[in-house]
Amino acid sequence: KNEVEQSPQNLTAQEGEFITINCSYSVGISALHWLQQHPGGGIVSLFMLSSGKKKHGRLIATINIQEKHSSLHITASHPRDSAVYICAQRGGGADGLTFGKGTHLIIQP
Amino acid sequence: ETGVTQTPRHLVMGMTNKKSLKCEQHLGHNAMYWYKQSAKKPLELMFVYNFKEQTENNSVPSRFSPECPNSSHLFLHLHTLQPEDSALYLCASSQGGTFTDTQYFGPGTRLTVL
Repeated sequence: KNEVEQSPQNLTAQEGEFITINCSYSVGISALHWLQQHPGGGIVSLFMLSSGKKKHGRLIATINIQEKHSSLHITASHPRDSAVYICAQRGGGADGLTFGKGTHLIIQP
Repeated sequence: ETGVTQTPRHLVMGMTNKKSLKCEQHLGHNAMYWYKQSAKKPLELMFVYNFKEQTENNSVPSRFSPECPNSSHLFLHLHTLQPEDSALYLCASSQGGTFTDTQYFGPGTRLTVL
């Protein structure tokens, strides 16, 4: 059974700090998704990656296939980055997406 | 309208009621999804439709009945629900249905079962 673990569960930081959120998974991958969920429930897909690194604005996502690990980085963090960040992984079989429990990020001004 | 829309945004129903959730996507995508998010639990995939055909059913109880009349519309019919079915129900769409494309989410329907 595929398992997705995220760390930390909660993270509070000051505006401007560099943020790292980690995601580990247990089975081989075909795709890994990073999602952002704001209070109220709305979800935005940030990245979908299967290898290497992707960058969009202040957000960077990396994945290490050998170590079964992905990281989401936020540079120059801002209070509007406060949200829950969710990692989801698609394994090699037909098991849909397995989701992590999310990382609750608060950026204080 | 653009993106993925869901109606209603909030729904309160009794255990004996029958109601339906509606999702519509204006992105020209071929795949649509239903997800459930219960309090303090990870997101759970419920159903996947690809080109109107159901391709995944994640062991969802029969009191949840999906319907996909075309690639733009997705319904979730609810009957004889239990209080533990109270959750946020999210719809999403993507170009393909293999989870290797970016998914676009609707705002969700907050369901409360009394």
